[in-house]
Amino acid sequence: EVQLVESGGGLVQPGGSLRLSCAASRFATFTFSSYWMTWVRQAPGKGLEWVASIKHDGSDKYYVDSVKGRFTISRDNTKNSLFLQMNSLRAEDTAVYYCARGGGTPDIWGQGTLVTVSS
Amino acid sequence: EIVLTQSPATLSLSPGERATLSCRASQSISSSLAWYRQKPGQAPRVLIYDASNRATGIPARFSGSGSGTDFTLTISSLEPEDFAVYYCHQRSNWPRTFGGGTNVEIK
Repeated sequence: EVQLVESGGGLVQPGGSLRLSCAASRFATFTFSSYWMTWVRQAPGKGLEWVASIKHDGSDKYYVDSVKGRFTISRDNTKNSLFLQMNSLRAEDTAVYYCARGGGTPDIWGQGTLVTVSS
Repeated sequence: EIVLTQSPATLSLSPGERATLSCRASQSISSSLAWYRQKPGQAPRVLIYDASNRATGIPARFSGSGSGTDFTLTISSLEPEDFAVYYCHQRSNWPRTFGGGTNVEIK
């Protein structure tokens, strides 16, 4: 059973914004609020790129340099949900975005949501 | 930023053969390295964490070794489902980074 479900992907114009969500499903076998959470992306036909991670209580956040100042990771533990607010989107942000459990070695992954930045 | 360099980029082998994949870090990361397998159209799955520990449910044909800057993933006898792309990943420093991947293809 899928434990993490991403949503919010789609087609957006360069310079636009999108908000991704990741919810722990009813099949999740872990306590969402106890874990760091991470976003990882994969451009079409390319490798994996770590994007951002957030501490279990939201007090610490880390980003890859290429998204600093444009993307914001956040979470709502009352709703077992993780978010990625993406602003000033560029063509190079086009990718499948995965959410995953853990800030060290992510071990439970969602199926991903596709973000396409194009005019 | 710690750069992870994987080699070879492509490995062509037959089922039943042994696969040896390499990952080199640009600076010492102790044993803070994981290996993932990604099949087409699927999310990655963790195989090995902390350089040499098999993740839950991972068969014994997968083994990891190394520390510092040089790491190896060995698949003792390739099964059909092992023909996929493999990534190494470091958790020693922020930002976290992945290697570029090794594609294990059927010869």
